[in-house]
Amino acid sequence: GESVGLHLPTLSVQEGDNSIINCAYSNSASDYFIWYKQESGKGPQFIIDIRSNMDKRQGQRVTVLLNKTVKHLSLQIAATQPGDSAVYFCAENPRMDSSYKLIFGSGTRLLVRP
Amino acid sequence: ETGVTQTPRHLVMGMTNKKSLKCEQHLGHNAMYWYKQSAKKPLELMFVYNFKEQTENNSVPSRFSPECPNSSHLFLHLHTLQPEDSALYLCASSLYVGNEQYFGPGTRLTVT
Repeated sequence: GESVGLHLPTLSVQEGDNSIINCAYSNSASDYFIWYKQESGKGPQFIIDIRSNMDKRQGQRVTVLLNKTVKHLSLQIAATQPGDSAVYFCAENPRMDSSYKLIFGSGTRLLVRP
Repeated sequence: ETGVTQTPRHLVMGMTNKKSLKCEQHLGHNAMYWYKQSAKKPLELMFVYNFKEQTENNSVPSRFSPECPNSSHLFLHLHTLQPEDSALYLCASSLYVGNEQYFGPGTRLTVT
């Protein structure tokens, strides 16, 4: 039969605008979160991380916000550029059974319109 | 580049073949990981090695056999694979288990 690929939500933004990519995580015990960017034909690339004792962390053109009350994580990209087009994954470490196991979300595709 | 290399980048193999994927990290990290990324599922952790010792086997079928001879090298030995094993296999490393992981470019595997 025909194979069906994973349906990724897509965010389309105009070049120069700000982008906000959202992620809902599953485990309230998770204490470490990471955002990755994956361009076509490449492996995931680390962007920024945040620990649960923080609500916000800023990097170069990127900001991660953590809302533990509703288990929500967001990645904000300022002045989005064509090179930002990629699939973005959030990952959490639920710290279950004391092992380190990153749980990845299914990803969001960001398309930047020129 | 991330400092994690993988070879080969592409591999086509029959179901009766035996092949190996190689990963090398040049970052001085102590933990290494194998992930599977397919079109149908999110990124899936397969194995974790911490200081050369396997600490995680995420219910992976025995037709996938990892080997970690030292902290810089990781192999994934493949035998009698199934077509549904076709996927992108990603290697990653981190300084310690619990730190951010750095990924290689992956091996695109096709099982015919």
